[in-house]
Amino acid sequence: DQQVKQNSPSLSVQEGRISILNCDYTNSMFDYFLWYKKYPAEGPTFLISISSIKDKNEDGRFTVFLNKSAKHLSLHIVPSQPGDSAVYFCAASPIGDKLIFGTGTRLQVFP
Amino acid sequence: GAVVSQHPSWVICKSGTSVKIECRSLDFQATTMFWYRQFPKQSLMLMATSNEGSKATYEQGVEKDKFLINHASLTLSTLTVTSAHPEDSSFYICSARGVAGATDTQYFGPGTRLTVL
Repeated sequence: DQQVKQNSPSLSVQEGRISILNCDYTNSMFDYFLWYKKYPAEGPTFLISISSIKDKNEDGRFTVFLNKSAKHLSLHIVPSQPGDSAVYFCAASPIGDKLIFGTGTRLQVFP
Repeated sequence: GAVVSQHPSWVICKSGTSVKIECRSLDFQATTMFWYRQFPKQSLMLMATSNEGSKATYEQGVEKDKFLINHASLTLSTLTVTSAHPEDSSFYICSARGVAGATDTQYFGPGTRLTVL
């Protein structure tokens, strides 16, 4: 049973435009949500997080939106840059507990 | 930012040998460390959770006698793959989480590529 789902395995966006990566979850006990970026043969790099008491968190070009009623979160990258090309994982957990990862979305930003 | 290192970054070994992978939190104390495994084109699979000074908690289906985890200090955890076989070949990644009261974010190491011949 996949508790955290990223239904789009890949996304292609032109440089300078917005990238929107989506993530859905099923467990209403999840309190904390994170996005990680991963390059091949490297460990994931933490990007941004949001707790369930918020619906938006922004850090530079990255914004995460949380819709608790829909059990949906999204990561917006504006403007997208070629260096953003990587696999993005969303993850969720009850606070203090283990993370449950989605299957990842491969983002490709082209010139 | 929080930095987690892993050593070695890659290792090739013969079937039947044991391999130890180290995970260190370099600039923060990690009360909890996690070990993951990633197969090609798949998500991260949590293997076990270790808290400093106590026994690791293994996920269902992970053999604790095969994957020995030691969390001896607040900055070091080790994973030993005992009697490794080719099916153990994978990308192993650790992560560390700060002390209680600090961030709940897990910070990941760069991973270790294990190839068993």
